[in-house]
Amino acid sequence: SAVISQKPSRDICQRGTSLTIQCQVDSQVTMMFWYRQQPGQSLTLIATANQGSEATYESGFVIDKFPISRPNLTFSTLTVSNMSPEDSSIYLCSVHGQGNTGELFFGEGSRLTVL
Amino acid sequence: GNSVTQMEGPVTLSEEAFLTINCTYTATGYPSLFWYVQYPGEGLQLLLKATKADDKGSNKGFEATYRKETTSFHLEKGSVQVSDSAVYFCALSVRTGNQFYFGTGTSLTVIP
Repeated sequence: SAVISQKPSRDICQRGTSLTIQCQVDSQVTMMFWYRQQPGQSLTLIATANQGSEATYESGFVIDKFPISRPNLTFSTLTVSNMSPEDSSIYLCSVHGQGNTGELFFGEGSRLTVL
Repeated sequence: GNSVTQMEGPVTLSEEAFLTINCTYTATGYPSLFWYVQYPGEGLQLLLKATKADDKGSNKGFEATYRKETTSFHLEKGSVQVSDSAVYFCALSVRTGNQFYFGTGTSLTVIP
């Protein structure tokens, strides 16, 4: 398994501001994944962050809105830029487990409320 | 393509009732199947998994069997407790690219 720590766990933000979420993993991993969970919804993959290269974004998500850093094999950040109330969501960091079964392990999430 | 269809909620049960949450999937190739649980205010936790046909995953009294013939992975528990109140997500991953596909989640409330 993997232990994933996310900060902040929750925050209330003003419209137009930006917030950076940090994700720390207790082991070195190749890929880190950022998901968004809007209220009452399932998970949507935002992007995959690989160390040493630019993140790969899914359809509907762009780097200007969700810039990602991946400075080493245990850490990543996701910034939610120029926030609007529609960005109010839980943002989850995840990594694959070891071995061939490849289950995902998740951090506890960062619950953002944009006023 | 790959997708997961999950029983819609919310589901409300009395304590000690039998639980079934249906999950069916479509996939190219041979997926691994998972159930995740999300307790109020928390992130997702892996509940159980199965990696090949006829495998049964089990944990905390929950079970699910990988049925290739019916493309299903239904979650069951014989006697639910109030502490089982949570949102349950069915998911699959395909080995190519290790992409994950999640169902929409089923909210379960167990009342004493």
